[in-house]
Amino acid sequence: DGGITQSPKYLFRKEGQNVTLSCEQNLNHDAMYWYRQDPGQGLRLIYYSQIVNDFQKGDIAEGYSVSREKKESFPLTVTSAQKNPTAFYLCASSSRRQGGGEKLFFGSGTQLSVL
Amino acid sequence: GNSVTQMEGPVTLSEEAFLTINCTYTATGYPSLFWYVQYPGEGLQLLLKATKADDKGSNKGFEATYRKETTSFHLEKGSVQVSDSAVYFCALPGGSYIPTFGRGTSLIVHP
Repeated sequence: DGGITQSPKYLFRKEGQNVTLSCEQNLNHDAMYWYRQDPGQGLRLIYYSQIVNDFQKGDIAEGYSVSREKKESFPLTVTSAQKNPTAFYLCASSSRRQGGGEKLFFGSGTQLSVL
Repeated sequence: GNSVTQMEGPVTLSEEAFLTINCTYTATGYPSLFWYVQYPGEGLQLLLKATKADDKGSNKGFEATYRKETTSFHLEKGSVQVSDSAVYFCALPGGSYIPTFGRGTSLIVHP
């Protein structure tokens, strides 16, 4: 079955440590997104990519980095510069780079907590 | 830029009650509008969408009508079930057509 796979489901970060969240899709989608979800704040866009080897900052990119070396993969690194990383992270994809009428497909999320 | 505003939750209902979750939008033109649902511990999934003014999206007993006069896309269901307990998000394309979400409205349905 086609879909988006995020791993791990739960992740713990120590002080000063970088951690990487995995996101893989087999839907052949061009566009991929990372959102951060905090209680009561909805979804906030961290980074997005509309084509391989290209990505753009979203609203809250500071303290995060991404890469898009393959169409199916869009990993997110939470760096030590991100001082408040505890949140639920969601990866999503859509079929077209632009247009606005396409639905998003979401992974099941990664809950990141600080030790 | 384009944005949506949702009613604050939680919305608490008894089983078989009528549900309305309000969503109003600000947009240039008439973009597609979406409702997504998030069950506990999961990602979001599309519930319904409407692509133009006066369209009605529907799925699983939920409905929403794209009303340009009131810039609204309220979600309704005639008889909720315990299994409908979830967080509901209104959404539309924002800058560069990137999907923009409301804050989400939590629905709790009691037996």
